[in-house]
Amino acid sequence: NAGVTQTPKFRVLKTGQSMTLLCAQDMNHEYMYWYRQDPGMGLRLIHYSVGEGTTAKGEVPDGYNVSRLKKQNFLLGLESAAPSQTSVYFCASSYGNVIGRGNTGELFFGEGSRLTVL
Amino acid sequence: AQTVTQSQPEMSVQEAETVTLSCTYDTSESDYYLFWYKQPPSRQMILVIRQEAYKQQNATENRFSVNFQKAAKSFSLKISDSQLGDAAMYFCALNNAGNMLTFGGGTRLMVKP
Repeated sequence: NAGVTQTPKFRVLKTGQSMTLLCAQDMNHEYMYWYRQDPGMGLRLIHYSVGEGTTAKGEVPDGYNVSRLKKQNFLLGLESAAPSQTSVYFCASSYGNVIGRGNTGELFFGEGSRLTVL
Repeated sequence: AQTVTQSQPEMSVQEAETVTLSCTYDTSESDYYLFWYKQPPSRQMILVIRQEAYKQQNATENRFSVNFQKAAKSFSLKISDSQLGDAAMYFCALNNAGNMLTFGGGTRLMVKP
């Protein structure tokens, strides 16, 4: 069972370069999320999507863009990478906002992508 | 806005002993879920236990149990009979009805043999 898959797992960028992180889920989940994890700060929400074709800003959206063209995919883009974006990025998915009917509010996470910006 | 606070950056426990990790939260919602996630060195986020706010009974999963105090907005995790494999970062998280998960800063648990 694949669950949530992120690519790439590791990437090193120079300041100003651009890149895209790809997240794919095979659980037919409505909601998808991008978090970043920094030491001592837990996971912070960057952007999220409540369905195909929709995106919304989370807690720390600046410097990132996202797209959800297909229900199963959620892309995170960095147009001009900065050293402050060095972090571990996690994608997650969930059934949606209707608690019950099998939805326990749990998020399912990918394995993370470590990005270093020099 | 909702917040989650873990006041213990690091904890250590002797193998086979019991340890409790603390978590407090703040939310204006009356219906929500609380979670503890474990993150071992592999980085994978693993769900340990969940608690529905409307349930008074504390959730248990084998050696893991919670002490949920809704009025005090407290949600601690107790690990009994600690094992070396329990060593990891532990994150407390709050999910409101909108399915937005807010995380605490994490507690690093070390298990001494």
